[in-house]
Amino acid sequence: TQLLEQSPQFLSIQEGENLTVYCNSSSVFSSLQWYRQEPGEGPVLLVTVVTGGEVKKLKRLTFQFGDARKDSSLHITAAQPGDTGLYLCALSVGSYGKLTFGQGTILTVHP
Amino acid sequence: EPEVTQTPSHQVTQMGQEVILRCVPISNHLYFYWYRQILGQKVEFLVSFYNNEISEKSEIFDDQFSVERPDGSNFTLKIRSTKLEDSAMYFCASRKEGGFTDTQYFGPGTRLTVL
Repeated sequence: TQLLEQSPQFLSIQEGENLTVYCNSSSVFSSLQWYRQEPGEGPVLLVTVVTGGEVKKLKRLTFQFGDARKDSSLHITAAQPGDTGLYLCALSVGSYGKLTFGQGTILTVHP
Repeated sequence: EPEVTQTPSHQVTQMGQEVILRCVPISNHLYFYWYRQILGQKVEFLVSFYNNEISEKSEIFDDQFSVERPDGSNFTLKIRSTKLEDSAMYFCASRKEGGFTDTQYFGPGTRLTVL
């Protein structure tokens, strides 16, 4: 079973600060997905990264897939209170696409 | 925009009772999933369902669990005899295609509390 380790587990910052969340594995993975989950809701897909070294941007969010395809990062620029939530990385595994999640990073952005 | 819906939003039951959690996936989707998230823990895969049968299940999905797609719209998870440790958020998800980059859409979850 491929495990994903996310860090940090908790992040509490002020509005306007930048932050980076990491997702690592001991194994190479073919693709990685980032989700955001708000209280009382299910995870919502933000992005899928597929190619080693790939960088994808979604407004103030920048996602990077490591060259060795064993790690990924999510960088948020000028965080806003609306960015508060649980950020999860996940692997799609097997023919039927079950997701294996990391334990998540709880981000709190204070106004 | 189409969305996955789940009912009830919160279910409280006594240990040993049967519960049925209901999901309505997005209508043209082909792959269906149940996940659970125990408070403070990671989201865990339970089961996937494709072509009217279970395609994969985890170790958690033992004989106490079953899934059904009784008609063209509903997808249910049944727990026959609930245990305290079944208390969790249960998420249903669906996906249109089989490719590993295709998006799984999650419902808002059912919070199951077993007393």
